[in-house]
Amino acid sequence: DGGITQSPKYLFRKEGQNVTLSCEQNLNHDAMYWYRQDPGQGLRLIYYSQIVNDFQKGDIAEGYSVSREKKESFPLTVTSAQKNPTAFYLCASSIARASGANVLTFGAGSRLTVL
Amino acid sequence: RKEVEQDPGPFNVPEGATVAFNCTYSNSASQSFFWYRQDCRKEPKLLMSVYSSGNEDGRFTAQLNRASQYISLLIRDSKLSDSATYLCVVNIFSGGSNYKLTFGKGTLLTVNP
Repeated sequence: DGGITQSPKYLFRKEGQNVTLSCEQNLNHDAMYWYRQDPGQGLRLIYYSQIVNDFQKGDIAEGYSVSREKKESFPLTVTSAQKNPTAFYLCASSIARASGANVLTFGAGSRLTVL
Repeated sequence: RKEVEQDPGPFNVPEGATVAFNCTYSNSASQSFFWYRQDCRKEPKLLMSVYSSGNEDGRFTAQLNRASQYISLLIRDSKLSDSATYLCVVNIFSGGSNYKLTFGKGTLLTVNP
């Protein structure tokens, strides 16, 4: 079955450590996204990529980095520069339509807790 | 004014009730609109797209009012399984060939037996 796989589902990190969240999709989607969700908040866009080897910053990119070396994969690194990294991280993908009517398919999420 | 603003909720309704959620958006260049459903500690899933003429899917009806810049979601004959957070999503044209999906904070619905 086609879908998006995120790993790990739960992750604990000590302050000052970098951590990388994996996101893999087999939907043949061109566009991939990383969102962050905090309790009682809407999803906020961290980074997105519409094509391999290209990505753009979203609204809250500081302290994060991404790569898009393969169409299927869009890993997110949460660096030690991210001041408040504890959150629920959601990866999504979509067909990149010129009209912008992009329906997102989400992975199950990764819950990061900084100790 | 926030880009996408939803009824803050929470909504607590009995089974069988009709409940409506509203969502306003600030950018008149917004191109497409969606309602997503998110269960507790799960990922959002598309509930329905919202079309200009309004659209219905079973017990769910979505409406778009471009002049007033709001969309709505109506749930009839609510079920216990409708309990979730409902997210309003607006795709905003941001220049060139770029669009940005913006999410509302969500409205929590609890349907009680």
